[in-house]
Amino acid sequence: DAGVTQSPTHLIKTRGQQVTLRCSPKSGHDTVSWYQQALGQGPQFIFQYYEEEERQRGNFPDRFSGHQFPNYSSELNVNALLLGDSALYLCASSLGYEQFFGPGTRLTVL
Amino acid sequence: DAKTTQPTSMDCAEGRAANLPCNHSTISGNEYVYWYRQIHSQGPQYIIHGLKNNETNEMASLIITEDRKSSTLILPHATLRDTAVYYCIVRAYNNAGNMLTFGGGTRLMVKP
Repeated sequence: DAGVTQSPTHLIKTRGQQVTLRCSPKSGHDTVSWYQQALGQGPQFIFQYYEEEERQRGNFPDRFSGHQFPNYSSELNVNALLLGDSALYLCASSLGYEQFFGPGTRLTVL
Repeated sequence: DAKTTQPTSMDCAEGRAANLPCNHSTISGNEYVYWYRQIHSQGPQYIIHGLKNNETNEMASLIITEDRKSSTLILPHATLRDTAVYYCIVRAYNNAGNMLTFGGGTRLMVKP
């Protein structure tokens, strides 16, 4: 089992651009959550997908959107990038009580 | 979910027990205590969780006070690889979907 995988590993964008990050959950996991982690801080919940629907959402603007596919993989899209969007973006999948995190995608906005 | 308070940083000698405290004085009856850790440049890793009884697994032990207002994560024989940020989280358990609310965590430095 490959665990949770995320792509790309690193990404550099400029202000105003749009970005798409991808996540493949652990085999059999049907729930995917996305978190944003700024440097030196704990991860902050963005949203969660289950059965291809957004089930929960944290305090993030509509510029952050997502999608879940029938195979449970997921995408995080961020539009109109701001410098403050620079962070590590973590994906977590779950089936029971334990959430399994991927290694993250480090996004740098210049 | 209830808020948690943890020391910002702690040191521990290699081979000794690391005791990481967490205060969660506003915890509700249906909320569990979870511990995760994050090693540098990796995603958080689940360690252990409990409701009111002490719990032990291959990684650590979790001691929860009788009033459930605080807990301690114990790494019995800390190694250099245990150097990480440790997060104490309380959340209601109904299914796997509940989001995790991370605080600042405790940065544990294990020293030779």
